[in-house]
Amino acid sequence: GESVGLHLPTLSVQEGDNSIINCAYSNSASDYFIWYKQESGKGPQFIIDIRSNMDKRQGQRVTVLLNKTVKHLSLQIAATQPGDSAVYFCAAEGAGTALIFGKGTTLSVSS
Amino acid sequence: SQTIHQWPATLVQPVGSPLSLECTVEGTSNPNLYWYRQAAGRGLQLLFYSVGIGQISSEVPQNLSASRPQDRQFILSSKKLLLSDSGFYLCAWSYREGGKAFFGQGTRLTVV
Repeated sequence: GESVGLHLPTLSVQEGDNSIINCAYSNSASDYFIWYKQESGKGPQFIIDIRSNMDKRQGQRVTVLLNKTVKHLSLQIAATQPGDSAVYFCAAEGAGTALIFGKGTTLSVSS
Repeated sequence: SQTIHQWPATLVQPVGSPLSLECTVEGTSNPNLYWYRQAAGRGLQLLFYSVGIGQISSEVPQNLSASRPQDRQFILSSKKLLLSDSGFYLCAWSYREGGKAFFGQGTRLTVV
């Protein structure tokens, strides 16, 4: 079946560094991808999304890159702050159902 | 603006007891509705989704069921809870299937 997977379960960075979180998906027909941030005890919050007709999209301090050839997605966070510490999920549009989520990468930012 | 309400926030239930978690959405009509479960340190597992009143699709066979009695109300139920039902349950809505989902704050269920 379809799957979405993250490359690293944890990532530790220093405050001010740039963070890169990677994700792979299996369904080449997936047309829409989203990154979510989940803080402890809360529901996931939308960060940024991208459609398959784009390979890059930028938001405030975040950039999502999509490589359809290798079915790879990444989230870049510039000048990482302690408030960015959370679990980050990538999600891909499934075949006619809901979003398919990866397992999540825990980002820890130290001062 | 649209909001999603999910309650209760935490719940401790004995094994064998029934369960009813409720989710409501405000500010939109005919949303797609979803129930996800998140085990500790794991990703989000889709349990049920609904594209309309009375229309429920189950993704994973289990001890749970879902109902949508009204357009913006989604209920997750169980007749007899198992220990393995413990987890963080999240309700979400979207404008369309597979589209950007907006999540509630979740219910932490502990079955003892």
